[in-house]
Amino acid sequence: DSGVTQTPKHLITATGQRVTLRCSPRSGDLSVYWYQQSLDQGLQFLIQYYNGEERAKGNILERFSAQQFPDLHSELNLSSLELGDSALYFCASSPQGVSSYEQYFGPGTRLTVT
Amino acid sequence: AQKITQTQPGMFVQEKEAVTLDCTYDTSDPSYGLFWYKQPSSGEMIFLIYQGSYDQQNATEGRYSLNFQKARKSANLVISASQLGDSAMYFCAFVWDGANNLFFGTGTRLTVIP
Repeated sequence: DSGVTQTPKHLITATGQRVTLRCSPRSGDLSVYWYQQSLDQGLQFLIQYYNGEERAKGNILERFSAQQFPDLHSELNLSSLELGDSALYFCASSPQGVSSYEQYFGPGTRLTVT
Repeated sequence: AQKITQTQPGMFVQEKEAVTLDCTYDTSDPSYGLFWYKQPSSGEMIFLIYQGSYDQQNATEGRYSLNFQKARKSANLVISASQLGDSAMYFCAFVWDGANNLFFGTGTRLTVIP
């Protein structure tokens, strides 16, 4: 158990809908990262928050957004969902803003868009 | 641009034997880090081992060791005394100083044969 929690574990929704994925980092970790794992794109970095502020952006679509709250949990919002958004979404946390240290991954949320 | 390559889509190993999973990277940055993660069929990403570019010795963690050859830009994972539970996808990941996210290779699927 990495100490990072993600809810829900599975999510099935229809095209055009909006969903919210939730992540709680390990106790004491200030940094949260979101990654998407799909069959065609592999594991891709989406976005990072550090202590409530956006720190870095990767290949995140404009339909997606995220935020980190004062209690350091983070939410990833996916809207106007398309079939291609079906993927495993991981949250990871690390103690510092820069990835000099290992990132601890949550169990993931498997999103299926039908 | 940074690039990380895993050339072995699949590997087989006999139980109790050692196996080497290949990973090469391409960067001009002098400071970077290399990680290996295991992803079993259940989907979670499990951190295995980390090697910093300035580390003098190869990293080891139990049955896992990293064969780090800086001049060749390779960071191969060696698993000794393979166990059936080692059957999984293995991802090599890279981060360079100042970056905030991991770049992942395409993974190698390891199957341990009884």
